[in-house]
Amino acid sequence: KAGVTQTPRYLIKTRGQQVTLSCSPISGHRSVSWYQQTPGQGLQFLFEYFSETQRNKGNFPGRFSGRQFSNSRSEMNVSTLELGDSALYLCASAPGTSTGELFFGEGSRLTVL
Amino acid sequence: GENVEQHPSTLSVQEGDSAVIKCTYSDSASNYFPWYKQELGKRPQLIIDIRSNVGEKKDQRIAVTLNKTAKHFSLHITETQPEDSAVYFCAEGGIQGAQKLVFGQGTRLTINP
Repeated sequence: KAGVTQTPRYLIKTRGQQVTLSCSPISGHRSVSWYQQTPGQGLQFLFEYFSETQRNKGNFPGRFSGRQFSNSRSEMNVSTLELGDSALYLCASAPGTSTGELFFGEGSRLTVL
Repeated sequence: GENVEQHPSTLSVQEGDSAVIKCTYSDSASNYFPWYKQELGKRPQLIIDIRSNVGEKKDQRIAVTLNKTAKHFSLHITETQPEDSAVYFCAEGGIQGAQKLVFGQGTRLTINP
């Protein structure tokens, strides 16, 4: 079974730009969560989607948004990028029917200059 | 709100000795407590988890204990090996069956040969 796939793996943007990250979950998984990982703040929850609906949202500004498609693939978008948005963005998939193991992708490393 | 305190932030032990990492959580509604291991440059992976109806769980050299009254849980690694060197994250979750996890800040464990 293929694991969680995230694209792109690395990207560099400048302040004020916007970025879209993509995540393909494990086949059959309907839940996709996004986390931001930084050295100072650790792993912070952004949001979770299940069957195309946002089920949970973390404490991030409205510049951070996401969506999920009917095939469970998910995208997250960050608009008006700031220097502090530089981070590793991790996607995690799960069956979603009850709390349990999250299967993480390798992440998309975003650098904002 | 949810918050997880994790200690220590760094831990260095001799190969063959035991390592203990402790976490304290704030939300009494949490009922799921996983531990993730993240090796350098790799994705976080679940190593063990415990639910609130259990006080202790063991898997070979790894064990987790949970004290719901005191709201703390601990990871114990015995007979440590060089491949145990990694960053370990505790987390709380499971509120209303949600996939959202609140992570601790992480512990960088180094096993000295």
